[in-house]
Amino acid sequence: QPALTQPASVSGSPGQSITLSCSGTSSDVGSYKLVSWYQQHPGKVPKLIIYEDNKRPSGVSNRFSGSKSGNTASLTISGLQTEDEADYYCSSYASSGTVVFGGGTKVTVL
Amino acid sequence: QVQLEQSGGEVKKPGASVKVSCKASGHPSTDFAVHWVRQAPGQSLEWMAWINVGNGNTNSAQKFQGRATVTRDTSTSTIYMELSSLTYEDTAVYYCARDGYWSFDVWGRGTLVSVSS
Repeated sequence: QPALTQPASVSGSPGQSITLSCSGTSSDVGSYKLVSWYQQHPGKVPKLIIYEDNKRPSGVSNRFSGSKSGNTASLTISGLQTEDEADYYCSSYASSGTVVFGGGTKVTVL
Repeated sequence: QVQLEQSGGEVKKPGASVKVSCKASGHPSTDFAVHWVRQAPGQSLEWMAWINVGNGNTNSAQKFQGRATVTRDTSTSTIYMELSSLTYEDTAVYYCARDGYWSFDVWGRGTLVSVSS
């Protein structure tokens, strides 16, 4: 059972904005500025798209943005494109040198 | 740039152990850490453990304590993850990934470990 809670699926039309949530607790998401988001296409290796709650690695589209409120982190994808169809996972530092993941959200572009 | 090259797939019987390797290249020093993350078929990512390559300090998820051992050979910049007492539920792709301050910024291509009788 993943420690962080993500919706199983989210869908949107091309050009729309969608927001994925990642709910944790005051022991992980709520305590550290260390939430990350990963994009994974089928059969591919996960790719880091957001780190430290809201920072984008070099080369990641600015259509991806991260935010957090309390124990819930969010990933917003604006200007949805067909190539954004993938699985998205959140993770958080969880004290004592451990990390927890969410169960993942499947994004479908209608 | 930094690359992580993992060893090939393995087929093991229940109760056996498996040792997966992850060779780092392109990194200027041993001042970095590596995590191990696994993904069972059709399932989410699961964090297992990490190692500070420089000083050898390690930590693992409570679920894997006593069963997963992470080591490194600094002379070859290779990190190893050994998982013992395998069960069918350990069938998964095992990834090594470089630490980017508790995010994973560079990933290996993954090693499929299949547990089958």
